[in-house]
Amino acid sequence: DADVTQTPRNRITKTGKRIMLECSQTKGHDRMYWYRQDPGLGLRLIYYSFDVKDINKGEISDGYSVSRQAQAKFSLSLESAIPNQTALYFCATSDFIETQYFGPGTRLLVL
Amino acid sequence: AQTVTQSQPEMSVQEAETVTLSCTYDTSESNYYLFWYKQPPSRQMILVIRQEAYKQQNATENRFSVNFQKAAKSFSLKISDSQLGDTAMYFCASRQGGSEKLVFGKGTKLTVNP
Repeated sequence: DADVTQTPRNRITKTGKRIMLECSQTKGHDRMYWYRQDPGLGLRLIYYSFDVKDINKGEISDGYSVSRQAQAKFSLSLESAIPNQTALYFCATSDFIETQYFGPGTRLLVL
Repeated sequence: AQTVTQSQPEMSVQEAETVTLSCTYDTSESNYYLFWYKQPPSRQMILVIRQEAYKQQNATENRFSVNFQKAAKSFSLKISDSQLGDTAMYFCASRQGGSEKLVFGKGTKLTVNP
């Protein structure tokens, strides 16, 4: 199912670099989310957006920023990457029926 | 605060047999939703099944069914006729009505053996 796509799928970067992870969806959903997955910790919410004018912090937003360029696009930025931001990042979308649909994930390694 | 607990870090089952994964949750809300997601080695998070708290009937999707015990705050997943492709991490998650936060458990690693 390619309704939610993420680019890149894998990324290696160095400490201090700025990087952007991108998410696009063709589901027509208004709500979009960014999650982080660490081993043994499950998924944690970084940011979420109801529409292009409504962006909200999740439980672990420090060190991250987001941009909702259009209904279908939601980007996550690490302004100055640090090693403990090494993780698997997921984008998700949701309709009003409360179910979230996830993209394939981006594996990020910060050296 | 919402919490979701999966007490089985790892489980295994023989192909064609039935396995049950456990999940308990805690919420102060009366309106909430419960989910099971599957994460195979490909990393994709795939929705397996969902349950609305106001529905008494247990959700079923083909070989997957849940045992939703609202009073006990328990939401277990039963996989019947296990297949090799069921090998994956399984995450239980809850979401309160009106909240955007989806709270995940730490997952159960399921291995289906031939």
